[in-house]
Amino acid sequence: GENVEQHPSTLSVQEGDSAVIKCTYSDSASNYFPWYKQELGKRPQLIIDIRSNVGEKKDQRIAVTLNKTAKHFSLHITETQPEDSAVYFCAGTSGYALNFGKGTSLLVTP
Amino acid sequence: NAGVTQTPKFQVLKTGQSMTLQCAQDMNHEYMSWYRQDPGMGLRLIHYSVGAGITDQGEVPNGYNVSRSTTEDFPLRLLSAAPSQTSVYFCASSYGAGRETQYFGPGTRLLVL
Repeated sequence: GENVEQHPSTLSVQEGDSAVIKCTYSDSASNYFPWYKQELGKRPQLIIDIRSNVGEKKDQRIAVTLNKTAKHFSLHITETQPEDSAVYFCAGTSGYALNFGKGTSLLVTP
Repeated sequence: NAGVTQTPKFQVLKTGQSMTLQCAQDMNHEYMSWYRQDPGMGLRLIHYSVGAGITDQGEVPNGYNVSRSTTEDFPLRLLSAAPSQTSVYFCASSYGAGRETQYFGPGTRLLVL
């Protein structure tokens, strides 16, 4: 199945700075790469996704980039705010399965 | 719409007991899946289903059974609970396989003593 590696496991930034989380995947047939945000005690929720026919996608302060040749994709959060503090998960598909990375705990300090 | 619902919210079991975690969705989603979440391990796929009558194994299927007799329901059965199955279990559903937005349920916290 798909093996998704995510780095770093923890990330601390100051409010207003940018945050970048990186993921690599192993299945070259994987074509869908979502990012989920999970606040403490809550369920994961989709924040952005990208498909393999696109290299970059933006939604306000968040963006995702995909490099299919290198098999890696990244989440970029600009102008971070305290409410961005959460655990972020990347994921990749393998057949019909969606496999997640181990998560990045992001802390945004005022 | 209620979305994805899970019951119970919290359960304590003794080693060797069996139980069923319930998951239901009212969005007419074909795809449903079960994940377990453990500290530092992320979300690991247990089983998934692409439609009624069709199920398949994920990354960590051992000790768990599933069935999908209707589009709405996807129960997860623990046959003989072990302490290693202490975890938070999330059910998710989507329109199409793993390539669409997954809508997660609120989770079931399971403690096996």
